[in-house]
Amino acid sequence: QKEVEQNSGPLSVPEGAIASLNCTYSDRGSQSFFWYRQYSGKSPELIMSIYSNGDKEDGRFTAQLNKASQYVSLLIRDSQPSDSATYLCAASLGFGNEKLTFGTGTRLTIIP
Amino acid sequence: GAVVSQHPSWVICKSGTSVKIECRSLDFQATTMFWYRQFPKQSLMLMATSNEGSKATYEQGVEKDKFLINHASLTLSTLTVTSAHPEDSSFYICSATLGDLLQEAFFGQGTRLTVV
Repeated sequence: QKEVEQNSGPLSVPEGAIASLNCTYSDRGSQSFFWYRQYSGKSPELIMSIYSNGDKEDGRFTAQLNKASQYVSLLIRDSQPSDSATYLCAASLGFGNEKLTFGTGTRLTIIP
Repeated sequence: GAVVSQHPSWVICKSGTSVKIECRSLDFQATTMFWYRQFPKQSLMLMATSNEGSKATYEQGVEKDKFLINHASLTLSTLTVTSAHPEDSSFYICSATLGDLLQEAFFGQGTRLTVV
């Protein structure tokens, strides 16, 4: 069983709509959760981090965490073509210098 | 934000040779750096955790004698792929965190290794 699971997609969303990305994790001891965006051939860049249950908003992005359901999501409002990328969900057991476990990523395409 | 610089960005080498990849934290000190490998259309897989001044911790299945890691200073970690083979061709990425309180990891640009 994979530790962090994501739907690989591809997920296609019209420009201006809301893109919803989902992630589940198996280790209940996970404390920190992250969403990274990765363009083809490039390294990941951090979009959001979330540590406690509930919603966290940053501009067009909202991360949601539900530890009881072991579920993390990312909503992208007003999707832009530049949002087309692979989105990686990652989890960590700690809050310090702990290693990250990544999901396989969801490929998102925003259709103009 | 914090900057992690990785060099080279791409390298082509012959089978049997060794390749060294550098990872530097440019504007902060990183006691811990992580090395990942990513095959096409797959996610990042952690290879090892590099600790300044001590031996690296390797993930299960990663050969420590083949992937040599040296973290000689607080701003530099190196990964050497020894006796490279075509199956080692991959995208190698390093990351570092700012410190104990801020857990967000910053990634280097990645190194595309092709072994021919």
